[in-house]
Amino acid sequence: QKEVEQDPGPLSVPEGAIVSLNCTYSNSAFQYFMWYRQYSRKGPELLMYTYSSGNKEDGRFTAQVDKSSKYISLFIRDSQPSDSATYLCAFVGGGGKLIFGQGTELSVKP
Amino acid sequence: NAGVTQTPKFQVLKTGQSMTLQCAQDMNHNSMYWYRQDPGMGLRLIYYSASEGTTDKGEVPNGYNVSRLNKREFSLRLESAAPSQTSVYFCASSDQQPQHFGDGTRLSIL
Repeated sequence: QKEVEQDPGPLSVPEGAIVSLNCTYSNSAFQYFMWYRQYSRKGPELLMYTYSSGNKEDGRFTAQVDKSSKYISLFIRDSQPSDSATYLCAFVGGGGKLIFGQGTELSVKP
Repeated sequence: NAGVTQTPKFQVLKTGQSMTLQCAQDMNHNSMYWYRQDPGMGLRLIYYSASEGTTDKGEVPNGYNVSRLNKREFSLRLESAAPSQTSVYFCASSDQQPQHFGDGTRLSIL
């Protein structure tokens, strides 16, 4: 079993749709949960960062963590064409190293 | 505000050639990382340096060597390139979290 599993996509939605991106993990020692966004031919950039179960909201983005089910989600409301990118979940492992999911490619069509 | 700078941006090598990928950060971070990104695999850690003068293996170190030249610079060397090392290579730096990424080096081995 992989340590992190992410819905592979690709995902294509119309502008204005609600998007749900999901990851499951198996290591209960993970305490910090992140979502990175990566535009084409660019490096990943941090989008959301949380360490507790529950929801964290930042504008149109909501990160949800369920530690009991080992499941994290990223919701994007009122999606825009500028949200088209690859989204990577990431978990902080031993020594501060990041463990990444495989990435979900999202396309938002005008 | 440069952040993390990687050179070169693109490179094509023949099997057996050697190559050094350069990375420099201007954020005075202690930790630096080298990842590779392959389709469907997410980002995988090759080597990291927790502080100047130290380096450690990550998940996929075989075929690579690194040098932490000083606090700013962390290089990745392929001594004898193989087609399996065709990938996009990302350098990152951090103090704690989050990690800040460069825009990558796209490397093709023929």
